[in-house]
Amino acid sequence: DAGVIQSPRHEVTEMGQEVTLRCKPISGHDYLFWYRQTMMRGLELLIYFNNNVPIDDSGMPEDRFSAKMPNASFSTLKIQPSEPRDSAVYFCASSLGQLFPYEQYFGPGTRLTVT
Amino acid sequence: QKEVEQNSGPLSVPEGAIASLNCTYSDRGSQSFFWYRQYSGKSPELIMFIYSNGDKEDGRFTAQLNKASQYVSLLIRDSQPSDSATYLCAVNMDAGGTSYGKLTFGQGTILTVHP
Repeated sequence: DAGVIQSPRHEVTEMGQEVTLRCKPISGHDYLFWYRQTMMRGLELLIYFNNNVPIDDSGMPEDRFSAKMPNASFSTLKIQPSEPRDSAVYFCASSLGQLFPYEQYFGPGTRLTVT
Repeated sequence: QKEVEQNSGPLSVPEGAIASLNCTYSDRGSQSFFWYRQYSGKSPELIMFIYSNGDKEDGRFTAQLNKASQYVSLLIRDSQPSDSATYLCAVNMDAGGTSYGKLTFGQGTILTVHP
């Protein structure tokens, strides 16, 4: 089992540029989660999908952030325009949401640096 | 009040000792509880989950749950330097039965096991 796959692993960009992060969940998992982790705020849930449909995007910090899941095996998180305060590690996780106890499996993360 | 709170740490224990990590949560309807371990620069890794009151043991790890007190803990026996990591408590909070799969994470406790 390949696990959750994220790309790129590292991204360095300049303020104002568009950034796209990608995620492939574990095959068969029907829930996909996007998290952001910083030293100050810890691990924050940004948005999650069930069967490719966004369920809760209340954690998305502002309109500059958007996420899509066009099919069961692919999701993107886009930041446009990026700002230095967006610098963080972004994790994607997936789970079998209807299977108690609902454990989530994390990808390796994308470390984003905005200069 | 934060929804999931962990003892702030950092926690330092000598090799061979018992490390005790604590977590409280605010939602009485919470159903399942997880402990993730995160090494520096890596993604969170699930090490244990528990959903019934009492103790659950897995090797050197014991999770303890007390739903009446809204408290969950993780004990690590015979601590090893390789246990040095950040430990994240996560809770599946039941928001009217619609939050399948969604986990709320604590801020994490940094554990250092010194030789």
